Amino acid sequence: EPEVTQTPSHQVTQMGQEVILRCVPISNHLYFYWYRQILGQKVEFLVSFYNNEISEKSEIFDDQFSVERPDGSNFTLKIRSTKLEDSAMYFCASSVARTGRFSEQFFGPGTRLTVL
Amino acid sequence: RKEVEQDPGPFNVPEGATVAFNCTYSNSASQSFFWYRQDCRKEPKLLMSVYSSGNEDGRFTAQLNRASQYISLLIRDSKLSDSATYLCVVNLVYGGSQGNLIFGKGTKLSVKP
Repeated sequence: EPEVTQTPSHQVTQMGQEVILRCVPISNHLYFYWYRQILGQKVEFLVSFYNNEISEKSEIFDDQFSVERPDGSNFTLKIRSTKLEDSAMYFCASSVARTGRFSEQFFGPGTRLTVL
Repeated sequence: RKEVEQDPGPFNVPEGATVAFNCTYSNSASQSFFWYRQDCRKEPKLLMSVYSSGNEDGRFTAQLNRASQYISLLIRDSKLSDSATYLCVVNLVYGGSQGNLIFGKGTKLSVKP
């Protein structure tokens, strides 16, 4: 069964460092998303991406964040200068069409980011 | 006001019990509704979509009341493997939006032998 994959599974970094989180969406999917979940809190939307551009972003997704689809398979989230409060689980998701009753978002296993 | 609000839980029930979760959402523009399940430190996985007429999938029944902006999930004959956090999720779709998921904080279910 096709699945979304993410690497690394756990990333530890120092405050102020740049990190890149990588995702490989399901191959025939066209819509891509990043979410984050701070420990003990709800899953929060960060950004959606379609047709090689950002479709929407939340207020969490400030200038420190960027996304890219550098080739036909990878979808990356970059945090330019990490802060302690960026520590969270970051989930990538993809869907074949615009999300709705008949187009599910499939989530990857997540990358746990720890900022020291 | 919270966008998606759920029973705080945790729910501790014996095997075989019936358990019901409730959820309310604040944005009447919400168009699609889902229940996801999340195991500890894992990704959310879709349990079922919720249709206006209500829908059932085996032991799971979901109901939607658009007028009250209320969603429910009923689990019958609960199994040990049902232990997880259940996330109420709505999808706002407007204009050119791709439909981003808005999650509730989740209700933890623990099924005991």
